[in-house]
Amino acid sequence: GDSVTQMEGPVTLSEEAFLTINCTYTATGYPSLFWYVQYPGEGLQLLLKATKADDKGSNKGFEATYRKETTSFHLEKGSVQVSDSAVYFCALVSYNQGGKLIFGQGTELSVKP
Amino acid sequence: GAVVSQHPSRVICKSGTSVKIECRSLDFQATTMFWYRQFPKQSLMLMATSNEGSKATYEQGVEKDKFLINHASLTLSTLTVTSAHPEDSSFYICSAARDTNTEAFFGQGTRLTVV
Repeated sequence: GDSVTQMEGPVTLSEEAFLTINCTYTATGYPSLFWYVQYPGEGLQLLLKATKADDKGSNKGFEATYRKETTSFHLEKGSVQVSDSAVYFCALVSYNQGGKLIFGQGTELSVKP
Repeated sequence: GAVVSQHPSRVICKSGTSVKIECRSLDFQATTMFWYRQFPKQSLMLMATSNEGSKATYEQGVEKDKFLINHASLTLSTLTVTSAHPEDSSFYICSAARDTNTEAFFGQGTRLTVV
């Protein structure tokens, strides 16, 4: 079945460092891809998405490009802030499974001042 | 925007009692709602998918008699954890979508603690 694999955390960075969180997927067809963020004690928030190959999703300085050839959707940010500390989830919509979201295991990011 | 409200955000209950969690789409009609469970330090696991007016579809390994889901209207779905036990303590999150193949929006989650 469809699946999502993320790099393991926790990831600890200093403020203003460059961030990459790797995400690869396995899916039949052409899923839409998402990054969600979960701040401590809160629910999930959609960070960005891409619906077709070569699309780039971007929001709050984060971006990710839908790479069909490498089945990847890596999350990047050029300069992280302490407020970016959260758990990040990569996900895909599995339309051949009724449109449900399939999540990666999550990557915890901790940014130190 | 599309706002999904989940209530309560936190609940503590005694073993053997039942707890109801509500998920409401505030500014759109949700044909489909999803219920997820998240264990500490782990990802979200889909428990069930509910479509308005029909029975929920449960994922493998989820006890449908223990986790009762009702999607009685296009703006409300409820999850009732029956005869709760400490191992049911978890973070439960719902999401709602206008229909099956559109983006789902998440509630803020409910932290259930069974003592």
